[in-house]
Amino acid sequence: DGGITQSPKYLFRKEGQNVTLSCEQNLNHDAMYWYRQDPGQGLRLIYYSQIVNDFQKGDIAEGYSVSREKKESFPLTVTSAQKNPTAFYLCASSSSPGQGARNGYTFGSGTRLTVV
Amino acid sequence: EDKVVQSPLSLVVHEGDTVTLNCSYEVTNFRSLLWYKQEKKAPTFLFMLTSSGIEKKSGRLSSILDKKELFSILNITATQTGDSAVYLCAVWDGGATNKLIFGTGTLLAVQP
Repeated sequence: DGGITQSPKYLFRKEGQNVTLSCEQNLNHDAMYWYRQDPGQGLRLIYYSQIVNDFQKGDIAEGYSVSREKKESFPLTVTSAQKNPTAFYLCASSSSPGQGARNGYTFGSGTRLTVV
Repeated sequence: EDKVVQSPLSLVVHEGDTVTLNCSYEVTNFRSLLWYKQEKKAPTFLFMLTSSGIEKKSGRLSSILDKKELFSILNITATQTGDSAVYLCAVWDGGATNKLIFGTGTLLAVQP
C-alpha cells in the first residue's frame, strides 16, 4: 500500500543529543513537509521540500535540519540547539500544488519526541 | 504575514449539542480551505472548500466558506463522544511556497 512511514513512533532523547526522525514515502510525491505540534495546538511548519536536493525553512526552523537526497526520503534532525524539542512531529507529502489544494496532504502517523 | 485563526481554542459540550467552529484567514494566494479532525495521531481529512456559499456536508458535519469575509465555519450537530478531537482549519497557499497554513486548532470535548 502506498503511504508515508514515520519512524520511530516514540523517541526519548537526553538533553544535548541530536536525534533524527525518519520519513519515507512511496507515493512518488514531489513535495514533503515537516510540522511540529505542541499539546492542544495546531501544526507549525519546520521545513519543506518541493523537489529533490532542495528545501526551504518554514516558520520554526531554528534548531532543526533536513536533507532531501532522494525523492522518497525527508529525514529531520533535531539538534541540541533546539531548546524545547518535546513535541509531536508530523511528516506530510503532496504530489503537486494542484493536488494539494484539492486534497491537502498525505500524513504520516507521527513521531512523539520526549526529552528526558 | 499570512495567517489562519481559529476560535474558540477549546470547547466543552454535552452529547446531543450542536457546535460551530470558526476559522478566519488572511492568505494572499488563497487556493482552498481544508478542515481536518485529529485524534491523537495524524489529522484526517474532512472537507475542502473553494467556493463561497456552497455547503459541504458529511453526516452530522457540514462546512461553508465565505470568501468575501474570509472565514469558514464547521458545524457538528447531535454531537457524540466520538467527536471529541482537535479540529484543524488549514488554507492552501498557492504562491511560490505551495503549502498548507494551519490554524491553532479547536479542542472539542464532548461529555456523555
